[in-house]
Amino acid sequence: GDSVTQMEGPVTLSEEAFLTINCTYTATGYPSLFWYVQYPGEGLQLLLKATKADDKGSNKGFEATYRKETTSFHLEKGSVQVSDSAVYFCALSEGSGGSYIPTFGRGTSLIVHP
Amino acid sequence: DTGVSQNPRHKITKRGQNVTFRCDPISEHNRLYWYRQTLGQGPEFLTYFQNEAQLEKSRLLSDRFSAERPKGSFSTLEIQRTEQGDSAMYLCALGGLYNEQFFGPGTRLTVL
Repeated sequence: GDSVTQMEGPVTLSEEAFLTINCTYTATGYPSLFWYVQYPGEGLQLLLKATKADDKGSNKGFEATYRKETTSFHLEKGSVQVSDSAVYFCALSEGSGGSYIPTFGRGTSLIVHP
Repeated sequence: DTGVSQNPRHKITKRGQNVTFRCDPISEHNRLYWYRQTLGQGPEFLTYFQNEAQLEKSRLLSDRFSAERPKGSFSTLEIQRTEQGDSAMYLCALGGLYNEQFFGPGTRLTVL
């Protein structure tokens, strides 16, 4: 079945540092890939998505590129802020032609210090 | 607008009691999902609806759990005879065009 593997956290950075959170996946079909963010006490929010190979999703300074050859979707940001402190989830969904049940990673906690 | 509201936001109950949660989509979406999330974990799929039809249900889901979406709009999740292991955050989400998930704020259940 499908699976998503994320780097374990917490990831601890100083403000303005460069961020990478690694995500790799296995899927039987051609999934869409997603990053979600969860702030303390809240539900998950869609951060960005990529729906086919070589697509780059971007939002709020975060980027991730759909790499089919390495089955990866790493999240990056050039300069993190304290307000980026949250838990980040990588996920995939096969959608049309496959299962409509999304698969989530276990999440990576990001802590940004001033 | 792809908002979702969930009520109640917090629920404390005693073991053995029944509880019901409600999910109200603000916009129309065919697919509606329920998840359970415990501390330090990602969302765990429970069940989903395509309009009013419940299409899939997790094999891990106990018979004590039941969900409905009677008119293809709002949905309810009921847990009968609650156990301490049911304590978790229960999340409702709507599925978008690429099945991206639009989550509600969740209902936090504490079973004493």
